[in-house]
Amino acid sequence: DAGVIQSPRHEVTEMGQEVTLRCKPISGHNSLFWYRQTMMRGLELLIYFNNNVPIDDSGMPEDRFSAKMPNASFSTLKIQPSEPRDSAVYFCASNSAGGASTGELFFGEGSRLTVL
Amino acid sequence: GQQLNQSPQSMFIQEGEDVSMNCTSSSIFNTWLWYKQEPGEGPVLLIALYKAGELTSNGRLTAQFGITRKDSFLNISASIPSDVGIYFCAGQRGYGNKLVFGAGTILRVKS
Repeated sequence: DAGVIQSPRHEVTEMGQEVTLRCKPISGHNSLFWYRQTMMRGLELLIYFNNNVPIDDSGMPEDRFSAKMPNASFSTLKIQPSEPRDSAVYFCASNSAGGASTGELFFGEGSRLTVL
Repeated sequence: GQQLNQSPQSMFIQEGEDVSMNCTSSSIFNTWLWYKQEPGEGPVLLIALYKAGELTSNGRLTAQFGITRKDSFLNISASIPSDVGIYFCAGQRGYGNKLVFGAGTILRVKS
């Protein structure tokens, strides 16, 4: 079975450019999560969706970050304009529980972003 | 805010040795989970614990949900080279609450 699919796996961009990260959750899962991982801050929840609706975006760092989930099989995380401090690995995860009712998450392989 | 203190930060052990790591919190959690992350991959769930005092095994891995609900332990018996990775504890206060992750324990195994 296909797991959570993220793209791109790696992205190198220059400061000020727009970055779009993509995620396809596991089919049948109704909750989707975006996490950011850095050495300094570890794994941070940015936003999560339940049934395509954003439930909690309190972890989104600032207005430069936005996330959408237009349908049950696709989500994007956009950064515009990007800054060097946005360099991190961004993970998408999904599960089939209602909202964040359980912590049993299935993670994608991540998108490593480097902003120069 | 909620924080999990995970220790040790890193371990470098000989193949065949047993490993212990733990996670503590000043707050009560109703769910404890342990994930493993290998280089270039996302975290993968190892064990989930839902009841205080619960002891659960998954092969050579054993995890316990502390009786106070403020801690959890993960033990790995007879370590092997493929056990290398970062082990994260995670806690959830209750149904629908966000998952809080520890900082991770880096495990390296010398064969």
